[in-house]
Amino acid sequence: DAGITQSPRHKVTETGTPVTLRCHQTENHRYMYWYRQDPGHGLRLIHYSYGVKDTDKGEVSDGYSVSRSKTEDFLLTLESATSSQTSVYFCAISTGTLQSTEAFFGQGTRLTVV
Amino acid sequence: KQEVTQIPAALSVPEGENLVLNCSFTDSAIYNLQWFRQDPGKGLTSLLLIQSSQREQTSGRLNASLDKSSGRSTLYIAASQPGDSATYLCAVKNTGNQFYFGTGTSLTVIP
Repeated sequence: DAGITQSPRHKVTETGTPVTLRCHQTENHRYMYWYRQDPGHGLRLIHYSYGVKDTDKGEVSDGYSVSRSKTEDFLLTLESATSSQTSVYFCAISTGTLQSTEAFFGQGTRLTVV
Repeated sequence: KQEVTQIPAALSVPEGENLVLNCSFTDSAIYNLQWFRQDPGKGLTSLLLIQSSQREQTSGRLNASLDKSSGRSTLYIAASQPGDSATYLCAVKNTGNQFYFGTGTSLTVIP
């Protein structure tokens, strides 16, 4: 599992509340990613990080923010949760460089916004 | 923007059959292609990584091929077993920092 831990694994929250999901890695990889997975859409990139305090947006970043204050932790925050953000969220890291870059995933967080 | 397509979306085969899953992508300027397996309610498990300079990779009963110029990859599973039942996803890595995923093929192997 490349030492990736996501917490919480399941969460139910109310519309309008802020929510923070945590991704922790044990192997000091530089690149970390947050994806959401929805039926019919596959995995879509929300944000990614290429180092401490270095982050960039993915294709579905609206309504989400991220922070990376330590190499091992990458936090995803839903600033004001909406029902459209009900999804399964996956954290990933990538190892290697260029052609040898390989992605590894955490077990996911199932978030329900009611 | 890179578009990745997997056909079929679902596949059901009897145990023991050999099968092929397909993945196509629109931009051939990739670094590599990765195949994953996902069991229900679980994360993605990496199966095979094919670098852009390679034509195929093998692991046990799995063989993945890559034809970068035509934008296609196949995952061949030999002698399928019920334990192979899962969703299989492919992802390509372009020269940027992102991976682009297909929507997957849901495989059911019937005992």
